[in-house]
Amino acid sequence: DVKVTQSSRYLVKRTGEKVFLECVQDMDHENMFWYRQDPGLGLRLIYFSYDVKMKEKGDIPEGYSVSREKKERFSLILESASTNQTSMYLCASSPPGQVFYEQYFGPGTRLTVT
Amino acid sequence: GQQLNQSPQSMFIQEGEDVSMNCTSSSIFNTWLWYKQDPGEGPVLLIALYKAGELTSNGRLTAQFGITRKDSFLNISASIPSDVGIYFCAGQLGGTYKYIFGTGTRLKVLA
Repeated sequence: DVKVTQSSRYLVKRTGEKVFLECVQDMDHENMFWYRQDPGLGLRLIYFSYDVKMKEKGDIPEGYSVSREKKERFSLILESASTNQTSMYLCASSPPGQVFYEQYFGPGTRLTVT
Repeated sequence: GQQLNQSPQSMFIQEGEDVSMNCTSSSIFNTWLWYKQDPGEGPVLLIALYKAGELTSNGRLTAQFGITRKDSFLNISASIPSDVGIYFCAGQLGGTYKYIFGTGTRLKVLA
């Protein structure tokens, strides 16, 4: 079974703090994704990575950066957390290929910025 | 930007009833995925569809990839209380890594 894990289930941070969210997958997948999920807005793509050290912006990258130093690990960084970044953050991974593929999600990190 | 319209937004049903929900879009998709998400958890993949017209089952769940490639539906037969949750669809835009997600159907099953 594909396993995607996220470092924290719940986080509470203060405005202005630097926040790191970690995601690890154990299926040797090339592609990894970070989404945020907000009520009424569905899932929105923040960044994705198709290989080590490779990244592309998604639909809402402002205020975020990412790091992928190893194939199995994809980190999301909030350089200076703000209250509007309070959300559920979901990591996903998928096998290589752009034609047909499935995405597998981790359990999510609920981040609250106060 | 691209949007997926998912309906209904929510539904209450009696245990044992069949459930149907669908997603429509103005965009053409290569792949459709259906997920279930329990409160506070990540989405779990239920069914993946790869070809227009394809009908795929997973236990009591059946999903179809619409002929026009712009829609998909999910049926749940003989619902049980553990079917409670949010179901949402995702369509993959052709030639890209990108998925567009529906906003979900919240299902509540009355025993």
